[in-house]
Amino acid sequence: DIVMTQTPSSQAVSAGEKVTMSCKSSQSLLYNENKKNYLAWYQQKPGQSPKLLIYWASTRESGVPDRFIGSGSGTDFTLTISSVQAEDLAVYYCQQYYNFPYTFGAGTKLELK
Amino acid sequence: EVQLVESGGGLVQPGASLKLSCVASGFTFSDYWMSWVRQTPGKTMEWIGDIKYDGSYTNYAPSLKNRFTISRDNAKSTLYLQMSNVRSEDTATYYCTRESDKPEDYWGQGVMVTVSS
Repeated sequence: DIVMTQTPSSQAVSAGEKVTMSCKSSQSLLYNENKKNYLAWYQQKPGQSPKLLIYWASTRESGVPDRFIGSGSGTDFTLTISSVQAEDLAVYYCQQYYNFPYTFGAGTKLELK
Repeated sequence: EVQLVESGGGLVQPGASLKLSCVASGFTFSDYWMSWVRQTPGKTMEWIGDIKYDGSYTNYAPSLKNRFTISRDNAKSTLYLQMSNVRSEDTATYYCTRESDKPEDYWGQGVMVTVSS
């Protein structure tokens, strides 16, 4: 199975801050035939189901604010929130869908400073 | 509006069987692969498996393949997860999700399964 490692496990932030979080995979998620990275990011707020934010490593899902930016390729990926809002406090998970079984990272929890 | 509504969870004894259901609405169910994902009480996410839009093919996490079976009834827009010989480590919230050219793009509200004697 592909192992997904997310850092940090938690991060205290203030509103308006720029935030970055990392996701590393144990093997490349770049499919050479279509040059796509099979990496997604999800947001899970307390008491809610996960919500797809980003897929193909950098494509925002419809309706997702443009302050959420996915980047990276191969084995190293980053989710950046350009200016954190109070409603962004949540746990963020990365997921690879390059190989079965799809696997998730352990999550990065954003908390208020 | 896409809706996925899971049911069938609850308290179950170790070694027993349980079948979860997920009723879909707001989209053409028979056009989409569907999957199950679970989240443990410690918040670990685990992809269980998925099923092709016509039910002809399934993929499973190897660790669960021998005990879990995914099926669907397109006439009823319903996805199923049959769980057998359940163990304490199967205690989790189980989510029904839709797959497209993106990965899990819609999730149900989840159903809790607790395995305990």
